[in-house]
Amino acid sequence: DADVTQTPRNRITKTGKRIMLECSQTKGHDRMYWYRQDPGLGLQLIYYSFDVKDINKGEISDGYSVSRQAQAKFSLSLESAIPNQTALYFCATSDSRTRYNEQFFGPGTRLTVL
Amino acid sequence: AQTVTQSQPEMSVQEAETVTLSCTYDTSESNYYLFWYKQPPSRQMILVIRQEAYKQQNATENRFSVNFQKAAKSFSLKISDSQLGDTAMYFCALAPPSNTGNQFYFGTGTSLTVIP
Repeated sequence: DADVTQTPRNRITKTGKRIMLECSQTKGHDRMYWYRQDPGLGLQLIYYSFDVKDINKGEISDGYSVSRQAQAKFSLSLESAIPNQTALYFCATSDSRTRYNEQFFGPGTRLTVL
Repeated sequence: AQTVTQSQPEMSVQEAETVTLSCTYDTSESNYYLFWYKQPPSRQMILVIRQEAYKQQNATENRFSVNFQKAAKSFSLKISDSQLGDTAMYFCALAPPSNTGNQFYFGTGTSLTVIP
């Protein structure tokens, strides 16, 4: 089945460490997104990419960077992790050829920064 | 600015009963799409139902239906015959048409517990 995968699923790291979260998709979608989920705040958009050469900041991009290595791969980096970046991170994809603009989500990465 | 508001942080319902989750939104766009996503304890985000703003008919998917009031900018989710597997966080989302290049907006979620 066409899918959205995220690695790692869980990660514990220390303050100041650099960490990368990876997202891959086999859906053939051109658009990819990174969200952060905190209790009571819902999903907040960090970065989004409408194609390999088009990357845009979302609501909460400070402290994060991204790389769209290929249409199927979109990585999120925390250059120097801090405890308030402890959260659940989701990657999502959508297909600009469809009318609905529905987003399909990966299983999430639970990140803990100590 | 586009916003999505879910004013009920937590709700509960007896098994087999009906429950309605509220969602209001604000947008200046004339064409858009609305979604309800479910997040069970497994944390996977699952699409429940979607609605096109220019369609007056309310969407239904089995036990799930919506009450879409465009003028009031309201998009509530009704779950009939609630089942234990419906226990989850539910998110309302507002999306532009694919060709506008604009982002998705999510509400803060409603945590639903189905009581046996």
